[in-house]
Amino acid sequence: NAGVMQNPRHLVRRRGQEARLRCSPMKGHSHVYWYRQLPEEGLKFMVYLQKENIIDESGMPKERFSAEFPKEGPSILRIQQVVRGDSAAYFCASSPLAGGYTFGSGTRLTVV
Amino acid sequence: AQTVTQSQPEMSVQEAETVTLSCTYDTSESDYYLFWYKQPPSRQMILVIRQEAYKQQNATENRFSVNFQKAAKSFSLKISDSQLGDAAMYFCAYLGGGGANSKLTFGKGITLSVRP
Repeated sequence: NAGVMQNPRHLVRRRGQEARLRCSPMKGHSHVYWYRQLPEEGLKFMVYLQKENIIDESGMPKERFSAEFPKEGPSILRIQQVVRGDSAAYFCASSPLAGGYTFGSGTRLTVV
Repeated sequence: AQTVTQSQPEMSVQEAETVTLSCTYDTSESDYYLFWYKQPPSRQMILVIRQEAYKQQNATENRFSVNFQKAAKSFSLKISDSQLGDAAMYFCAYLGGGGANSKLTFGKGITLSVRP
């Protein structure tokens, strides 16, 4: 079992570009969570998804951010028109129905 | 809403000694889970130890143990026989009793350094 796979590991975008972050959950895990970690901070919840459904997006900024978890393929966190304040580490975690998070290694987004 | 507080931003310990990292939380739930995660420079979030609120016995994993005081809403991590590889950021986290349907709430973390 390869664990939770996130790619890319590092992503550099210019202001105004789009960033796409990918997360493949562990085999057998149907729940995916995205968290953001700003410098010197703990992880902050963004969104919780199951296959083809957004369950809780209470931590997502209202504009420019979206997430999906299609029937086939990885979960995608999309940030449109990135700004410098979006620079952070973005973590994905997955869990089976009964809970128990496994985190990926994160994607570090740098906006220049 | 649940909150997790780690009031010490940094701590240092001598190799082979014992160190305790503090964490307090606030919740109105009676059923929940508490975790300590380790984040080394590689950025990987590594689960160190987990405690179910309904269990009175403190969790232990090798050199790592917790002091869970439910009434005081305190959840400290004790690292015994500290090793150089223990140097990392440590995060305390809370998960509501809804299981997979609940989101983790993290503290701000504490940076632990280990002196050789």
